[in-house]
Amino acid sequence: DAKTTQPTSMDCAEGRAANLPCNHSTISGNEYVYWYRQIHSQGPQYIIHGLKNNETNEMASLIITEDRKSSTLILPHATLRDTAVYYCIVSRLWQGGKLIFGQGTELSVKP
Amino acid sequence: GAVVSQHPSWVICKSGTSVKIECRSLDFQATTMFWYRQFPKQSLMLMATSNEGSKATYEQGVEKDKFLINHASLTLSTLTVTSAHPEDSSFYICSARARGQTGELFFGEGSRLTVL
Repeated sequence: DAKTTQPTSMDCAEGRAANLPCNHSTISGNEYVYWYRQIHSQGPQYIIHGLKNNETNEMASLIITEDRKSSTLILPHATLRDTAVYYCIVSRLWQGGKLIFGQGTELSVKP
Repeated sequence: GAVVSQHPSWVICKSGTSVKIECRSLDFQATTMFWYRQFPKQSLMLMATSNEGSKATYEQGVEKDKFLINHASLTLSTLTVTSAHPEDSSFYICSARARGQTGELFFGEGSRLTVL
């Protein structure tokens, strides 16, 4: 599975959009991009995933560049409860692959 | 979304004893379950993959005789830490993939093990 690179930490003001970048330049054609987050001392929570088209759900939007070498997770109106570590993972999960977690981005939403 | 439950949420045991952690998929059939370990201020580390009715596949460096994994049914997988030692103290998290599901994994709440 391809590796990802994320900033170690980011801050965001409450009510503003949080844009979390992820670089996955070695992604292969059949690997999806998955985003999870982990609030302190809890199990990871699924956010969104996509292959090449942009995706949106009730939690977030996922923007994948045309060459698929990077993506951005957008939380449109961040709240204090969105403070967590966000993980970007590429995987062939649908083909029996695994989710291998990197270090993620620690997002702090501040009042 | 689908619910995965772990039990116990936390456990304290004496060195040398064995501890069993259960992972249940409450509202779906899980053909594959994954076990992770997480030390403080670190990311999740995949320990093993278990498929219902077959032996678990362990990641490199994980001792299969120390971390026994059983996936006897489509809704239950267990992780047994045998002869636990203080260095086994960690946060253990399971996740499950539903039968026929090609999308996301669902994670349990985690089980915190402290070995004295």
